[in-house]
Amino acid sequence: SSELTQDPAASVALGQTVRITCQGDNFRTYYASWYQQKPGQAPVLVVYGKNNRPAGIPDRFSGSRSGNTASLAITGAQAEDEADYYCKSRGSSGNYWVFGGGTKLTVL
Amino acid sequence: QVQLVQSGAEVKEPGASVKVSCKALGYSIINHYMHWVRQAPGQGLEWMGVINPSGTSTSYAQKLQGRVAMTRDTSTSTLYMELSSLTSEDTAVYYCARDQSTEGTWWFDPWGQGSLVIVSS
Repeated sequence: SSELTQDPAASVALGQTVRITCQGDNFRTYYASWYQQKPGQAPVLVVYGKNNRPAGIPDRFSGSRSGNTASLAITGAQAEDEADYYCKSRGSSGNYWVFGGGTKLTVL
Repeated sequence: QVQLVQSGAEVKEPGASVKVSCKALGYSIINHYMHWVRQAPGQGLEWMGVINPSGTSTSYAQKLQGRVAMTRDTSTSTLYMELSSLTSEDTAVYYCARDQSTEGTWWFDPWGQGSLVIVSS
């Protein structure tokens, strides 16, 4: 089983807020980074660290951490946000990295 | 503009090896760790390994130890990932990604466009 656990699917009504979570003891030490992947495309970084966004990522994307859970929130979800979302962290016991299993987000 | 451009699709027979390349444009590869990640059809992302900025040290996912090798050529700003003893389970899209980090966090940005490797007899 993976070190990082994500719900396989989530849905949100257009314009509403959704929170995607990722659980793992890694987050007691490290911050997560989050990646958006649309069909047939490479992953794209959307949030990293305490709550940072790369240039070009809308401010409706935000990140947080509490205990062993990292979260990605999308406030005012848009149709173009429909995608798979992956969390990532450094491994808890060595020089390696791990991804969560991914959450498929549907915008209704 | 920082960009990673990968080699094209490959079809290999079981037992063969494949070498995927990743050319860095717009920045120097000697300043960054570089990772490789793969994604089997319909599956999630799987971290494969990382190579340090000088190319002198690597760390690989345990399940790939002994079959994978990551190298870099600073003269051409190109990274390579070679995977040997291929099986059908290695059929996947392979991505390279640049590592960036600050205290307590690591992120991958940008990513290459991906290289499809199909293992089939």
